[in-house]
Amino acid sequence: GQNIDQPTEMTATEGAIVQINCTYQTSGFNGLFWYQQHAGEAPTFLSYNVLDGLEEKGRFSSFLSRSKGYSYLLLKELQMKDSASYLCAVSLTGFQKLVFGTGTRLLVSP
Amino acid sequence: EPEVTQTPSHQVTQMGQEVILRCVPISNHLYFYWYRQILGQKVEFLVSFYNNEISEKSEIFDDQFSVERPDGSNFTLKIRSTKLEDSAMYFCASSQGNDYGYTFGSGTRLTVV
Repeated sequence: GQNIDQPTEMTATEGAIVQINCTYQTSGFNGLFWYQQHAGEAPTFLSYNVLDGLEEKGRFSSFLSRSKGYSYLLLKELQMKDSASYLCAVSLTGFQKLVFGTGTRLLVSP
Repeated sequence: EPEVTQTPSHQVTQMGQEVILRCVPISNHLYFYWYRQILGQKVEFLVSFYNNEISEKSEIFDDQFSVERPDGSNFTLKIRSTKLEDSAMYFCASSQGNDYGYTFGSGTRLTVV
């Protein structure tokens, strides 16, 4: 089976930095996606990691360690609008589909 | 920016009725997908479609479900006889392939009563 774990909920303060972790155990691995999802809306693409290391994109960065089955999403200079669910999703080798974790609900307070 | 469009945004149907959810993927994308998300739960894969045929489907995608690309632009999901447990948000997505990221539509909220 495929197993992708994320914390259920996190809270942080506006202007702070938060790190959302994701661990995975899957049969085959092609790459790892992070999506943002506001309540009642579609997931929107944030980042994609294939190789080990850090990918930086503005206030958001994503890290991958394939040997450890681990990724994190780092959000800097948090804003109120960053309150959302953050979904970790694995792309499996040879399959055209994503397997999602349960998502981490982030609440940013003033 | 190109987007995936889904209609309707909300559908209420009686148990046992057939529903068709419609999607217009991004025009130069090659792969099309349906995912669903039951309220408060994770996004689940239903089916992927490539080159006018199903390339993969999950255990959820049983004989009650079917997909079709009736013309060059639309991609539909049909549920033949809806059950209460089919109530969920259904997302259509398209991509140029696994490495290119998926673009999701805004979803159809299906409520079966």
